[in-house]
Amino acid sequence: SQKIEQNSEALNIQEGKTATLTCNYTNYSPAYLQWYRQDPGRGPVFLLLIRENEKEKRKERLKVTFDTTLKQSLFHITASQPADSATYLCALDLMFSGGYNKLIFGAGTRLAVHP
Amino acid sequence: ETGVTQTPRHLVMGMTNKKSLKCEQHLGHNAMYWYKQSAKKPLELMFVYNFKEQTENNSVPSRFSPECPNSSHLFLHLHTLQPEDSALYLCASSQTSGSGSDTQYFGPGTRLTVL
Repeated sequence: SQKIEQNSEALNIQEGKTATLTCNYTNYSPAYLQWYRQDPGRGPVFLLLIRENEKEKRKERLKVTFDTTLKQSLFHITASQPADSATYLCALDLMFSGGYNKLIFGAGTRLAVHP
Repeated sequence: ETGVTQTPRHLVMGMTNKKSLKCEQHLGHNAMYWYKQSAKKPLELMFVYNFKEQTENNSVPSRFSPECPNSSHLFLHLHTLQPEDSALYLCASSQTSGSGSDTQYFGPGTRLTVL
């Protein structure tokens, strides 16, 4: 069966440390993988996209890796801040012949950064 | 603000009521989506409209009826819902290119409670 798994438990870290979130999937072959941030009571907000032929992508304090052999993506936030506390969603991006891309989301990992 | 608005933000309805959710995007996108998000579960794609045409109905019960009068507006008509339909309903839009990945822009959602 097709599955997407993210760390189901909340991740608690100290301010200034690096947070690492994991996204594992089975029986999919995504062309792209996206990461979103969701705050309570709000819709998800796009953060980063990585292509299947890219190993790593960076944006400011964020870094994403994508290993299509392991079927895994890692999402890193360096020098974490309390404002980074949120739920982070990974989404597999499946290209469809209907002319649009279909996103399959994981359940998300809740990150709490403590001062 | 993401450029996608949803109304109402909160809705409480009885099982015999009929109500509608509204979504409007101000981004000039051609694709619009309805998602359901239940507690601690992944976002579930419900419907996709591409250039006003419905391209996906993800086995959604007929008590949910979508309508897309133009590329900027999307409605979800609700009737005879069940308590298990209580969830956060999210609308999203994207500019589909058919040749790469499409970032989705989400609205703030409608928190629906069915009594």
